Amino acid sequence: DVKVTQSSRYLVKRTGEKVFLECVQDMDHENMFWYRQDPGLGLRLIYFSYDVKMKEKGDIPEGYSVSREKKERFSLILESASTNQTSMYLCASSIAGGSYNEQFFGPGTRLTVL
Amino acid sequence: GNSVTQMEGPVTLSEEAFLTINCTYTATGYPSLFWYVQYPGEGLQLLLKATKADDKGSNKGFEATYRKETTSFHLEKGSVQVSDSAVYFCALHGGTSYGKLTFGQGTILTVHP
Repeated sequence: DVKVTQSSRYLVKRTGEKVFLECVQDMDHENMFWYRQDPGLGLRLIYFSYDVKMKEKGDIPEGYSVSREKKERFSLILESASTNQTSMYLCASSIAGGSYNEQFFGPGTRLTVL
Repeated sequence: GNSVTQMEGPVTLSEEAFLTINCTYTATGYPSLFWYVQYPGEGLQLLLKATKADDKGSNKGFEATYRKETTSFHLEKGSVQVSDSAVYFCALHGGTSYGKLTFGQGTILTVHP
């Protein structure tokens, strides 16, 4: 069974802390994505990666960075957490190519920044 | 740019009622269209998809037809169950590279016994 796992289900951090969210997929997928999910706004793409060490900005990259050192792992970094980054963060992966390939999602990390 | 608009929620229904969740989109070219579902405490999972005009996607009793003339992809189910209570997201892939999706805002569905 295909699987995308995220390092934490719930996380509480302080303003100004550096925060790492980890995502691992076991499907050998080329593409990986980080979204944030907020009520009434749906999912918004933060960053995505189409290959190891490759990354592209999504729609809302400000305040975030990413790292992809291995194909199966994609990390989201909040350099200095702020209260407006309190949200649900979802990781997803998909195979390369095609406009109809399914994205597989992890269970999400609910981050609270105090 | 691409955009997806879903009907305002939340939607509350009784078991066995008919469900429609409206979804309209704006895109250039020929997008592929998707419905994802998020059950409580879980990530999103693909419910159904359609890759070209007039295609009908179906799964678990849900259906949606890709209507290019009305730029719509409405989700329907003839008889909902309590277990269908979830958040439903309409999404499109605009044909660009890397499989990027544009999502609607989500519709919360609650089904009562």
